[in-house]
Amino acid sequence: AQSVTQPDIHITVSEGASLELRCNYSYGATPYLFWYVQSPGQGLQLLLKYFSGDTLVQGIKGFEAEFKRSQSSFNLRKPSVHWSDAAEYFCAVGYFSGGYNKLIFGAGTRLAVHP
Amino acid sequence: DTAVSQTPKYLVTQMGNDKSIKCEQNLGHDTMYWYKQDSKKFLKIMFSYNNKELIINETVPNRFSPKSPDKAHLNLHINSLELGDSAVYFCASSQGAGSSNEKLFFGSGTQLSVL
Repeated sequence: AQSVTQPDIHITVSEGASLELRCNYSYGATPYLFWYVQSPGQGLQLLLKYFSGDTLVQGIKGFEAEFKRSQSSFNLRKPSVHWSDAAEYFCAVGYFSGGYNKLIFGAGTRLAVHP
Repeated sequence: DTAVSQTPKYLVTQMGNDKSIKCEQNLGHDTMYWYKQDSKKFLKIMFSYNNKELIINETVPNRFSPKSPDKAHLNLHINSLELGDSAVYFCASSQGAGSSNEKLFFGSGTQLSVL
């Protein structure tokens, strides 16, 4: 069955430090991959997405993610974190199954940023 | 202007009551969704409508009845509310026919608390 795993429930980094949030997926073919961010009390906002082509994708707010087929991973990175990046981050996988297009989300990683 | 707006933002009610959550999008999108986010932040699709037609119903109890009067609106009516229905409900929309590679635009959520 298709699944998305975000191994880290909670991560704390210092402002200015680099960041990597992990995401692993389980799917037989190459899926569509997404990272969304949820600020407190808000809905989710798309950071970036991967469909095909260059495995390193750039997103908004200085984020990037790299698709590694051999590791079934799509980790999110940012070279220097800002205090405003504190939020919940969700990895998601889009796929076609049972006659429907579906999108499933990981359990999320909560990012805290220390000044 | 808010792209995807849902009301109310907070809803506190007693077990057994019937309540509705409304959602409207002004993006001209063809597909709308309802997602449920539980207390562990896990997001799960409930329903998806494309041009007022139901395309996804993910084994949600029939106490939940979505209604789409037009493609800009997708309301969620819940009968006989139960404690386990307490969650944050997110409305979302996408431009196309609900393909698994589409970007979703989310509302800011409705926090439902059943007492």
